[in-house]
Amino acid sequence: EAGVAQSPRYKIIEKRQSVAFWCNPISGHATLYWYQQILGQGPKLLIQFQNNGVVDDSQLPKDRFSAERLKGVDSTLKIQPAKLEDSAVYLCASSLDKGFTDTQYFGPGTRLTVL
Amino acid sequence: AQSVTQLGSHVSVSEGALVLLRCNYSSSVPPYLFWYVQYPNQGLQLLLKYTSAATLVKGINGFEAEFKKSETSFHLTKPSAHMSDAAEYFCAAAGGATNKLIFGTGTLLAVQP
Repeated sequence: EAGVAQSPRYKIIEKRQSVAFWCNPISGHATLYWYQQILGQGPKLLIQFQNNGVVDDSQLPKDRFSAERLKGVDSTLKIQPAKLEDSAVYLCASSLDKGFTDTQYFGPGTRLTVL
Repeated sequence: AQSVTQLGSHVSVSEGALVLLRCNYSSSVPPYLFWYVQYPNQGLQLLLKYTSAATLVKGINGFEAEFKKSETSFHLTKPSAHMSDAAEYFCAAAGGATNKLIFGTGTLLAVQP
């Protein structure tokens, strides 16, 4: 079974530039998550999708971050404009259903450096 | 608000020694609890989870954790460390007032030969 795929693996940008990350979840998984993991901290949920609808985006900085999951499969996370404090690893995860006891499978992450 | 505390950001053990990684949670309602492992340049992988069944939970790679309500703890143990156990370990909680996973800050485990 293929795991969660993410690209790119690494990205370096200047502040105020825009950047986009892509995630392909495990086939058949209805729920998709984006997490932000700042160095020295645990992952923090940014947004959760159930199919193509948003379940929770309470911690997404909506003035600069946006995410979509068209057709309920792949997802993109965008930052525009980026700030220095956005430097982090962005993790995508998926699960069969939206219950928090459902096992979440994580991708390898995208390491973003904002200069 | 739900929070998870991992005592010790770095733990070092000798190969063959006991591994003990500590996790405490704060909640008025016993939550669901998880341990994840993250190897370098890889995503998080679930080791084990507690979902209000047996208090002693066995996971992959010989790890286990015990839920102790009186101590609000969910410590991770392994009787004998192996070099391949070197990684970062995250404790997480969900349930109660939150329906999302709340992660601790992680513990980096080093295994010395």
